[in-house]
Amino acid sequence: ELKVEQNPLFLSMQEGKNYTIYCNYSTTSDRLYWYRQDPGKSLESLFVLLSNGAVKQEGRLMASLDTKARLSTLHITAAVHDLSATYFCAVDMNTGNQFYFGTGTSLTVIP
Amino acid sequence: EPEVTQTPSHQVTQMGQEVILRCVPISNHLYFYWYRQILGQKVEFLVSFYNNEISEKSEIFDDQFSVERPDGSNFTLKIRSTKLEDSAMYFCASSWGRTQYFGPGTRLLVL
Repeated sequence: ELKVEQNPLFLSMQEGKNYTIYCNYSTTSDRLYWYRQDPGKSLESLFVLLSNGAVKQEGRLMASLDTKARLSTLHITAAVHDLSATYFCAVDMNTGNQFYFGTGTSLTVIP
Repeated sequence: EPEVTQTPSHQVTQMGQEVILRCVPISNHLYFYWYRQILGQKVEFLVSFYNNEISEKSEIFDDQFSVERPDGSNFTLKIRSTKLEDSAMYFCASSWGRTQYFGPGTRLLVL
């Protein structure tokens, strides 16, 4: 079974600071997804990373994928309170079927 | 923009009762999924459905669970005899290719 691990699980950071969330997975996959979840809400798609070396940016968030290292990062630049949420990465097994979700990183941005 | 919808948003039921959770996937999508998320935990895959049959299911998806696409638009998850541990948020998702789009979820509480 594909295992997906994120760290840290909990992250408390001050506004204006930078930080990186890491997502490691155990089996070859050529695609990785990042989702945001607000409390009690659904999963909002942030990024789909389609190949090794892919980098995508949206606002203060930037995601990258290294398929050889089986690692993706979600970098937060100059955090603002609105970014407070739980962030999940997810991979599939190249078969396009089930997603394997990471453990989630609960981010709190403190003013 | 098309989106996945789910009803009801909340459901409270007594242990041992049957519940049916409903989803309307995005209209031109071919693949349908159910996931669940126990409070504070990661999102777990239950089942995927394609061409009117189950294509993959997890260990969680035992004989108490069933899925159906009763008409051209709805996709349902039935839990025959609910248990306390079935309390969770249930997400429906659909896809055309590999990227899955998630509905807002149904929060199920079993008393």
